[in-house]
Amino acid sequence: GENVEQHPSTLSVQEGDSAVIKCTYSDSASNYFPWYKQELGKRPQLIIDIRSNVGEKKDQRIAVTLNKTAKHFSLHITETQPEDSAVYFCAASITTGNQFYFGTGTSLTVIP
Amino acid sequence: KAGVTQTPRYLIKTRGQQVTLSCSPISGHRSVSWYQQTPGQGLQFLFEYFSETQRNKGNFPGRFSGRQFSNSRSEMNVSTLELGDSALYLCASSSRGAIYEQYFGPGTRLTVT
Repeated sequence: GENVEQHPSTLSVQEGDSAVIKCTYSDSASNYFPWYKQELGKRPQLIIDIRSNVGEKKDQRIAVTLNKTAKHFSLHITETQPEDSAVYFCAASITTGNQFYFGTGTSLTVIP
Repeated sequence: KAGVTQTPRYLIKTRGQQVTLSCSPISGHRSVSWYQQTPGQGLQFLFEYFSETQRNKGNFPGRFSGRQFSNSRSEMNVSTLELGDSALYLCASSSRGAIYEQYFGPGTRLTVT
């Protein structure tokens, strides 16, 4: 089955700096890659996603890039703010397989 | 639209007991997936249901089972509870036959003593 690895496991940045979280996947058939943000004690929230026919997608301060050849995708957060502090999960899915494979999460701390 | 809801939010059970958790998806969503979240293992896929049929199952023992009703509400059952079953159980719903966006419920925090 699919194996998703996520790095780093923890990340601290100064407010206003950028944060980058990277994930790799193993199954070249994976075609959908969402990112979730989970604040302490809350449910995971979908923040951005990308499909395999797209190389990059941006939504305000958040962007995701996908390199299908290398089988990796990354989350970029610019101009970080304290409210960006949370655990971020990447996932990979073969959509017709109806199953998501999650990375182990990155705990992001934005220092004011 | 109302979001995904899960009941109960918290449960304390004793080893050997069984438990049933409930998930109500977003209105119109027909796919419900269940996950176990633990600090060490992250989000582990349990199973997924679509139109009352289990379409996929993760690598969990047979003590973990589920079902889905005609109104898309889903239940998950764990029998013969073990200490290691203590976790946050999350369900997520999706509207499509082939899953794209999944929206999570708040979870049920299960503690086994």
